[in-house]
Amino acid sequence: GAVVSQHPSWVICKSGTSVKIECRSLDFQATTMFWYRQFPKQSLMLMATSNEGSKATYEQGVEKDKFLINHASLTLSTLTVTSAHPEDSSFYICSARIEVAGDLAQETQYFGPGTRLLVL
Amino acid sequence: GQNIDQPTEMTATEGAIVQINCTYQTSGFNGLFWYQQHAGEAPTFLSYNVLDGLEEKGRFSSFLSRSKGYSYLLLKELQMKDSASYLCAVMDSNYQLIWGAGTKLIIKP
Repeated sequence: GAVVSQHPSWVICKSGTSVKIECRSLDFQATTMFWYRQFPKQSLMLMATSNEGSKATYEQGVEKDKFLINHASLTLSTLTVTSAHPEDSSFYICSARIEVAGDLAQETQYFGPGTRLLVL
Repeated sequence: GQNIDQPTEMTATEGAIVQINCTYQTSGFNGLFWYQQHAGEAPTFLSYNVLDGLEEKGRFSSFLSRSKGYSYLLLKELQMKDSASYLCAVMDSNYQLIWGAGTKLIIKP
């Protein structure tokens, strides 16, 4: 099946630093990728939709200046947490959507393994 | 508003069968997904239904009724490794996933 990778898998950083997380679709091209955040024992929360070649669409309540998203190619989207603070500590998960023109039955999302961020 | 409902927690016995229900109310419908998520890991894709009926895939089956806004995930021959959270998600008219809170499935020997 389709594979999505994330790097790094975990990161510990000091408060105030910026952290970049990469999401790659390894064997397919994805015009649309999604970034989620999951706090312990809670459901996934969509942060933003990343569209190749255009600006990301952020969900209500997500600060676009704090969570910078760049989708520069069809296989790579990056999420940069700027000036991270302890409350940003979370599990960040990306997904990439496989689209088959005119065939909804073939569409699905594949998730990356996630990146665990701990801000001290 | 958009809403996905599924039970918070279920308990079943190893070797048995369990059905996890999901009801939804969304703006538009472009398919319903079931994901499995083990603690501390990202969700993994289980199934996708866009037409009414039952989709079988090994020990797992997923059913959809669009008119009723209802789906279920059926797990047969339960194994201890099936202990996980099962997430129901609906793709709305904007092709965004609306997630349920997940059902924690506990398997007992």
